[in-house]
Amino acid sequence: GAGVSQSPRYKVTKRGQDVALRCDPISGHVSLYWYRQALGQGPEFLTYFNYEAQQDKSGLPNDRFSAERPEGSISTLTIQRTEQRDSAMYRCASSSQSRDSYTDTQYFGPGTRLTVL
Amino acid sequence: GQNIDQPTEMTATEGAIVQINCTYQTSGFNGLFWYQQHAGEAPTFLSYNVLDGLEEKGRFSSFLSRSKGYSYLLLKELQMKDSASYLCAPYGQNFVFGPGTRLSVLP
Repeated sequence: GAGVSQSPRYKVTKRGQDVALRCDPISGHVSLYWYRQALGQGPEFLTYFNYEAQQDKSGLPNDRFSAERPEGSISTLTIQRTEQRDSAMYRCASSSQSRDSYTDTQYFGPGTRLTVL
Repeated sequence: GQNIDQPTEMTATEGAIVQINCTYQTSGFNGLFWYQQHAGEAPTFLSYNVLDGLEEKGRFSSFLSRSKGYSYLLLKELQMKDSASYLCAPYGQNFVFGPGTRLSVLP
C-alpha cells in the first residue's frame, strides 16, 4: 500500500510569511509524529498525535509552531511568521500502534524541505 | 532528560564487519530502535530491542544491555549500499533519535 506522503516536497518562503506543511499518514495508522531534521543530525521530535488528539507538543520550539490532525488522519504543521532559523527538513512519521505500546515502529515520509529567505 | 552518544563517522571495506555503538541515558526506558537513513532519504526501520541480548536479522544484528545503557548495531558482509547514516533511538518517556553515525563502505 501507499506509504507516508508529505506535501509540498520543497517550500521556499520569505521571512515573516506563514507556511503549512501537510502529512498524509499510512491509512489506519493511529500515531502521527512531526520531526525536524537538520543536515547531518537525527530527527528532532516536535509533536505527537494519537488519532486526533495532540498528546505531546513538548518539542515545538515556540508558539509560532502549531499542528493539528482534526479527523485523525491528515495532519498539518503550521509555522507562523517564519524566520531563517526555521529552515530545515520537516518529516512526518506514522505508526500503527499507540506510542504507549512501546513497540512503536515508525514509517517516515519523504519530508518537506523548507527554506526561509 | 536524554543523552545519546554515537560515533559521528565510520569507514569500512566491502565484505567486512562493522559495529556501531550507542550509549544512552534516558528518563525511563522501554526499548531501543535502530534506523537506517540514506542520504536525502527518509529513515527506515532496522531493529527494535526490548530485552538484553542479541537480535539477529540477516546481515544485521542489534545488541542491547539495559543495565549499561548500551547498544550496538552489527553489520556483516558489508555492501556498498550499506553506506548510510545509522540512527540509535532509545525509547524512554519520549522518543528521541541520536545524532546518527555516517558509515562509508569502500570498495
